[in-house]
Order: sequence, then structure tokens, then C-alpha cells
Amino acid sequence: DIVMTQAPLSVSVTPGESASISCRSSKSLLHSNGITYVYWYLQKPGKSPQLLIYRMSNLASGVPDRFSGSGSETDFTLKISRVEAEDVGIYYCGQLLENPHTFGAGTKLELK
Amino acid sequence: QVKLLQSGAALVKPGASVKMSCKASGYTFTDYWVSWVKQSHGKSLEWIGEIYPNSGATNFNEKFKGKATLTVDKSTSTAYMELSRLTSEDSAIYYCTRKYYGYNYWGQGVMVTVSS
Repeated sequence: DIVMTQAPLSVSVTPGESASISCRSSKSLLHSNGITYVYWYLQKPGKSPQLLIYRMSNLASGVPDRFSGSGSETDFTLKISRVEAEDVGIYYCGQLLENPHTFGAGTKLELK
Repeated sequence: QVKLLQSGAALVKPGASVKMSCKASGYTFTDYWVSWVKQSHGKSLEWIGEIYPNSGATNFNEKFKGKATLTVDKSTSTAYMELSRLTSEDSAIYYCTRKYYGYNYWGQGVMVTVSS
């Protein structure tokens, strides 16, 4: 199985500042079709996860452009610019390149 | 708008089975894979498997083969997951989710508690 390793486990951010979360995969997520099959999700407290970023760098519908995704074949970054109170929750990276689809352990974002 | 409405919480005894539902609305049910994801208390997300409603084709995480059974009822746009031979390790929240450029819609989750 592809292992997704996130860092840090938690991050505390002052509102208005930016935050970055890293994710590393145990195998390249770059398909021969040129698509990198890494995704980012946010699970707000008591809610279901929601999709933020698909295929490494594409913003999902309705997601503020304060969120952005980037990376290489195995190393990925989610950046949140100008963090707001509504961004609090647990962020997960995930891969859809191979079955079983796997997720990282999550990064908890809190406000200072 | 797209919605996935899941059945209510379940309290089941060890060794028993539980079947939960996921009713889709707002889109053509047969056009998209439906996946099921487990979230144990305070833990991360674990992919169980997926089903393509149009054909009934399934893919499973090896870990859940023999544990989970996925079915659909196209007439009611509902996906089902049955978990068998339940143990305390199966106590968790189970989500259904639609796969399209990622898991872009999620149900509200079903909390399953296995206890005697």
C-alpha cells in the first residue's frame, strides 16, 4: 500500500498569517498520463471531510483561493494564505493512484 | 444539489452484522463510483472499497474483504454497505462518498458502536 506521511501533526497559526502542511508519499503519485493523484481534504470539527484540492494543484469547487496545492512526484504541500477561524480542523492528504486509496494521518490546525 | 444521506447510528452486538445505507440525490447515481471510508475514534481515514452503481463492479481494500459487502439499488439511488462478524475494532464512523476528481461529496456518516 502507498503510505502517506504528513507533517507536522499539528500547527498553531495566528489569524491572517499563512500555514503550510507537508505530505510525502512512499511511491510516486505521477501517472504516465501526466496527472498527479494527490488530494487534500479538510475535516472541520464534528463534520464530514470536504475536498479542497484535487490532482495536486486544482482548487475544488467553492473552495477559497487562499488554499493552494503544489508538489513533485512524492512531496506535496498545502498552503493556506491568510488563515481564518473557519479553517480550523484536521487536514488530510490522500492518494487515488492505486487501490487501496490511502490517506495521511492528518494535521490539526488551530488558531493562536 | 448533490446530497448523500446516510442511515442512522447503530448499536450492535459482537458477532452480529449491520447494514447501512447511503441515498444519493441531485445527480445521476449510476454515473459515479461510491466509496466507503472508515474513521475510528480520533483516527485518520481508511478506505474500505468502492462500487460502480451502473454495473455493480466493486474494488476492495484487502483488509476489508470478507468484512464488508457493497451493493446498490439503482431504483432508489441508494448504496449499501453491510459489515459482518462485528468486533470492537469495527466501532467507528462510516462515510459514503462520491468519487469524481477526488471524493467531492460525503455523507454525514454513520456511527456504529459494537457492544454487548
